[in-house]
Amino acid sequence: GAVVSQHPSWVICKSGTSVKIECRSLDFQATTMFWYRQFPKQSLMLMATSNEGSKATYEQGVEKDKFLINHASLTLSTLTVTSAHPEDSSFYICSARGHAASSYNEQFFGPGTRLTVL
Amino acid sequence: QKEVEQDPGPLSVPEGAIVSLNCTYSNSAFQYFMWYRQYSRKGPELLMYTYSSGNKEDGRFTAQVDKSSKYISLFIRDSQPSDSATYLCATLYNQGGKLIFGQGTELSVKP
Repeated sequence: GAVVSQHPSWVICKSGTSVKIECRSLDFQATTMFWYRQFPKQSLMLMATSNEGSKATYEQGVEKDKFLINHASLTLSTLTVTSAHPEDSSFYICSARGHAASSYNEQFFGPGTRLTVL
Repeated sequence: QKEVEQDPGPLSVPEGAIVSLNCTYSNSAFQYFMWYRQYSRKGPELLMYTYSSGNKEDGRFTAQVDKSSKYISLFIRDSQPSDSATYLCATLYNQGGKLIFGQGTELSVKP
C-alpha cells in the first residue's frame, strides 16, 4: 500500500509558540490531504481538507487562523498550530488520497504526531 | 444524534474467540463502509471496505453491511493477541467525500 509519513512523531512546546507538522506522501501523488485530531480514547475528528494548490476547507468549529494548512505540492502538506495552548495538546493525524483506478479511492493515513503544549 | 455510533468498549476476549464489532449509522445515503484498525499511538490502517450491502471476507476477518437496518459489523475469527487494538468503523457518501468515523472499540485479546 501507499506510504504516508509525518514529522515530527512527537513534539513538546511551550504555550504561545507555534508548531509545524509535516505530512508527506512517499510513493504517490496526493491530490487531497486531510488533517484530523484525536483526543485520548476518542475518534478521529476531521479538521480540514486541502487540495494541492488551493486553500484548505475547514470543518465547522475549527479556527483557520489558528490551524494554518499549506498544501503546496502533490507530496507535502503542513499544519501549523499557531500560538499553541495546552488545550491544543492532542494526536494529529494526516491522510492522503490520490487518483485511483479502483472503485474505492482510499485515504492512506500517516502515523500521527503527538503534540504536548506545556 | 451522531452520524455513526459505535460502542467504545473496552472489549476483552480470550485468544481464539470470535469477536463481533458493530456500528450503526443514521444516513441512508452512505454508500461506502470501512473498518480501520488503530494500534496505540499509531495512525489507522484500512482493514476492509464494502460498497453497499453484503458480506466481504478476508482471511480471519468478515465485514457485513445491512443497509436496511443501517448496521455494520466486523467479525474476527480465531482472535489473536496481535489483534488487540482499537477498531474504527467509518462511512462515506461517495468516493470524493469525507470519512465519518465511529468512536472506535478498544479490543483486548488475552493469551
